[in-house]
Amino acid sequence: KNQVEQSPQSLIILEGKNCTLQCNYTVSPFSNLRWYKQDTGRGPVSLTIMTFSENTKSNGRYTATLDADTKQSSLHITASQLSDSASYICVVREDTGFQKLVFGTGTRLLVSP
Amino acid sequence: DTAVSQTPKYLVTQMGNDKSIKCEQNLGHDTMYWYKQDSKKFLKIMFSYNNKELIINETVPNRFSPKSPDKAHLNLHINSLELGDSAVYFCASSQDSGGLFYEQYFGPGTRLTVT
Repeated sequence: KNQVEQSPQSLIILEGKNCTLQCNYTVSPFSNLRWYKQDTGRGPVSLTIMTFSENTKSNGRYTATLDADTKQSSLHITASQLSDSASYICVVREDTGFQKLVFGTGTRLLVSP
Repeated sequence: DTAVSQTPKYLVTQMGNDKSIKCEQNLGHDTMYWYKQDSKKFLKIMFSYNNKELIINETVPNRFSPKSPDKAHLNLHINSLELGDSAVYFCASSQDSGGLFYEQYFGPGTRLTVT
């Protein structure tokens, strides 16, 4: 069964510190992987997209990595800000038919002052 | 301008009632979706429409009926509401369903509480 698992479930860090969120998936065949940020009370917003051939991609203070061999991705946040407090969802797209999206359960990040 | 909008934002109703949630996108996208996010924050797709035609219908009770009057709208009607229907429902849209880099744009969500 195609699944996406994220860790940790929740994380609290001090403002200014760095953190790394993990995503492991079993989705096959693989098309691409996105990291979404979901603020409380809002819909998810895409941060980055990774394809099979990409290892690293940055978007400001967010850096995503992908290891397609081990089926792992990470999202690294540097110099965290209070506005980074949100849920981060890893979403993997199947490379079949309609190319269904498989969502992870997310990591809830709280950045405290 | 809001790209994907949903109404209402909050909906509290009693078991057995029928309710609708409306969704509109002004992005000119061809495909629209409904997702359900449960208490554990897990997003699960319910339906997808491409150019007003149903293309995905996951194992959702037939009490849920999507209606797409045109490409920019996808409404969700729920009959005989049950306690387990309580969740946040998200509408989303994308340029198409098959492009490699297509991105889904999500609405703000509708929090449905069934009492």
